Amino acid sequence: EDQVTQSPEALRLQEGESSSLNCSYTVSGLRGLFWYRQDPGKGPEFLFTLYSAGEEKEKERLKATLTKKESFLHITAPKPEDSATYLCAVQALVGKLIFGQGTELSVKP
Amino acid sequence: DADVTQTPRNRITKTGKRIMLECSQTKGHDRMYWYRQDPGLGLRLIYYSFDVKDINKGEISDGYSVSRQAQAKFSLSLESAIPNQTALYFCATSRPGLADTGELFFGEGSRLTVL
Repeated sequence: EDQVTQSPEALRLQEGESSSLNCSYTVSGLRGLFWYRQDPGKGPEFLFTLYSAGEEKEKERLKATLTKKESFLHITAPKPEDSATYLCAVQALVGKLIFGQGTELSVKP
Repeated sequence: DADVTQTPRNRITKTGKRIMLECSQTKGHDRMYWYRQDPGLGLRLIYYSFDVKDINKGEISDGYSVSRQAQAKFSLSLESAIPNQTALYFCATSRPGLADTGELFFGEGSRLTVL
């Protein structure tokens, strides 16, 4: 069964305190791993796509990496505006994403 | 104006009532999706449509039905609502190339409470 598990469920950081979020997955025939950001009261917003082990993508203070079993979202020197829930998803069949439960990140000034 | 618009944004109803959630988009995308989000369970796919004549069940379609009235409109119906259908519902869109990249565009959600 295709499955995505994210950890931790919640993460509290001080501004400037770097950390990582984890996304572990099991899927038959990975077509891609995706990261989304979701702000309270909003729909998820696309961040990155990773296709193969060893691939990395960066956007501002965020860097996503991928191995054969998991992906990490590294947050370098976070700011309060980075506070959100971060969702990981995998695609085994075209157009059908399987989402993890998310990690709620809180960055305090 | 939002590219993907969901109505209503909030709805409280009673067990057994019929409910329709509507989604319209101005992005010109062919593919539309309905997801349900529950605390601790993440987003789960209910139905998806790759074009007007194509409707497919997702992982949790029981108790739901959909209608693709036009390329830009995709409605989700609960024929007889029950309390465990209380959740946040999201509509999303993509086009074929973007779907392969996993890039979906989500509406702002419809919060449904079934008493």
